[in-house]
Amino acid sequence: GQQLNQSPQSMFIQEGEDVSMNCTSSSIFNTWLWYKQDPGEGPVLLIALYKAGELTSNGRLTAQFGITRKDSFLNISASIPSDVGIYFCAGQRSGTASKLTFGTGTRLQVTL
Amino acid sequence: GAGVSQTPSNKVTEKGKYVELRCDPISGHTALYWYRQSLGQGPEFLIYFQGTGAADDSGLPNDRFFAVRPEGSVSTLKIQRTERGDSAVYLCASSSVPNTEAFFGQGTRLTVV
Repeated sequence: GQQLNQSPQSMFIQEGEDVSMNCTSSSIFNTWLWYKQDPGEGPVLLIALYKAGELTSNGRLTAQFGITRKDSFLNISASIPSDVGIYFCAGQRSGTASKLTFGTGTRLQVTL
Repeated sequence: GAGVSQTPSNKVTEKGKYVELRCDPISGHTALYWYRQSLGQGPEFLIYFQGTGAADDSGLPNDRFFAVRPEGSVSTLKIQRTERGDSAVYLCASSSVPNTEAFFGQGTRLTVV
């Protein structure tokens, strides 16, 4: 099935650094979501975006819904060790209930 | 329950066997979804239930896969004649109504040997 393209695929950063990742699609989505998944766990929703151009924050996390509706960005400020995990974007089209199309994931590792 | 519960957490089966994976959604959640996550990939949609009925089963890969939710609560994903390519983590999620936040379970890791 279709998977959205996420970059980078993985990243190693030092504690305290800011992190940026993005997600692109060849088609339009009406809702963009960002999830974090820890080993052996299911994805947990971090931020939801519902409007093109929208910028939304959740603590140290900030996400943006791209103007073209084909991309989204996630920034994490002042990273801490518990930010380690895999971050997934997901897109949702209107009229498809809650069927989500997930990205390929960005693996984040934080060093002290 | 407090969260979405999936059983078993791990399942090893032989090629050709039949398996059932169970999902207990959050109490009162009417919408239930199954996703499959292969190693190194994001989850892929399989099927969505609204109440007892499958509202969208477009993600089921073939007719070996089937899911039921007879009483609008617990759901069972059934896989017949398992193949090695079916090995993956099967995730279940539920939400109070469609298009609201879906909460995921921990998944069932299926290994077909």
